[in-house]
Amino acid sequence: QQQVKQSPQSLIVQKGGISIINCAYENTAFDYFPWYQQFPGKGPALLIAIRPDVSEKKEGRFTISFNKSAKQFSLHIMDSQPGDSATYFCAASIEASGTYKYIFGTGTRLKVLA
Amino acid sequence: DTGVSQDPRHKITKRGQNVTFRCDPISEHNRLYWYRQTLGQGPEFLTYFQNEAQLEKSRLLSDRFSAERPKGSFSTLEIQRTEQGDSAMYLCASSRAWGGAVEQFFGPGTRLTVL
Repeated sequence: QQQVKQSPQSLIVQKGGISIINCAYENTAFDYFPWYQQFPGKGPALLIAIRPDVSEKKEGRFTISFNKSAKQFSLHIMDSQPGDSATYFCAASIEASGTYKYIFGTGTRLKVLA
Repeated sequence: DTGVSQDPRHKITKRGQNVTFRCDPISEHNRLYWYRQTLGQGPEFLTYFQNEAQLEKSRLLSDRFSAERPKGSFSTLEIQRTEQGDSAMYLCASSRAWGGAVEQFFGPGTRLTVL
């Protein structure tokens, strides 16, 4: 119930295309869903996040779509660029001891071809 | 640089040795987290501090692991009698504790290799 399942494991997209990464969860107590971008040798950096009372959130080229009834959420990267090539992690957050512990997906390695 | 910093960035050690890592959070953040990330996986929660109090520990944190945050500022993570299975990236993150903020900011990590 604590797992977050992420797919696909890897993704290759042409420059200018749309990259779509999907995540699913079971625990309805999760109430915060961030997406992180990680480059090799670096720590994860927050891209965009959403709460379950909102069905979509857009920031620049990045959009989260959230389906509460299906317990699924996805990241859409519009006009994908070679600089977007990185590993993307979805996460779900649950309050414990007054904080929000993150449960991460297994990651999607994105490669955008020039 | 006002981000989360970690030291060292890389550590190579022999099995059985003790290692200690340091994390300096963003200065106004009083919540600090440690995660472990193995190759090809997402980060896994290890432990959490609010100020100097360690409020939660994962079952992943065996008796050989100990974390401290003595003055509510920087934190250390010590691994005693290292094993090859401890090889991983150890990530530190920090967040605020007010305004309902839940965003965690991650440091660059310490990559541990146990030979």
